[in-house]
Amino acid sequence: ETGVTQTPRHLVMGMTNKKSLKCEQHLGHNAMYWYKQSAKKPLELMFVYSLEERVENNSVPSRFSPECPNSSHLFLHLHTLQPEDSALYLCASSQETMGSYNEQFFGPGTRLTVL
Amino acid sequence: GQNIDQPTEMTATEGAIVQINCTYQTSGFNGLFWYQQHAGEAPTFLSYNVLDGLEEKGRFSSFLSRSKGYSYLLLKELQMKDSASYLCAVMDSNYQLIWGAGTKLIIKP
Repeated sequence: ETGVTQTPRHLVMGMTNKKSLKCEQHLGHNAMYWYKQSAKKPLELMFVYSLEERVENNSVPSRFSPECPNSSHLFLHLHTLQPEDSALYLCASSQETMGSYNEQFFGPGTRLTVL
Repeated sequence: GQNIDQPTEMTATEGAIVQINCTYQTSGFNGLFWYQQHAGEAPTFLSYNVLDGLEEKGRFSSFLSRSKGYSYLLLKELQMKDSASYLCAVMDSNYQLIWGAGTKLIIKP
């Protein structure tokens, strides 16, 4: 595997379900990100991790719970979601969280539908 | 607040040239990025500008004017595979990327 991978690619869940999204980066980066992408809206940054420590939490509801067990893996645990949480969830990584030229590499995303 | 504006959708003809504009108002500036995103795929990096002027990379060029809070992405010799969304993002003073909503580019034969 190369780059940033995400599983599953598609997920349909009910509002009472619990599920997890997984992201893995094979680039040796120190920073990882979760974004939400809704149709015709800007990417919304949800969480940022630097060397497994959370450095940013952009007022995300507690029904989204991130976990970063090591610098290569990132999870997003989901529970009691709402239909408006349906979106594409993108994972990204970068060498660091600081620094001007800090290109982020994205995974293909998980298309989440909440019924 | 912070804001990035770009057109929602543009249409162009195969072989032609198209310019996608981006204007921004952010708390500080540490560079501007352009990404390409094909439907159902990951955004991929196209260009980075931190100084005023034009950066050319093959068929794609990106321009920045910091005083005007303005950038554009220029695509030449358009190909059908260039049909995608183009995302403009500015890195603010906290090194956080502020994203535009993206411009969907439709290429017609």
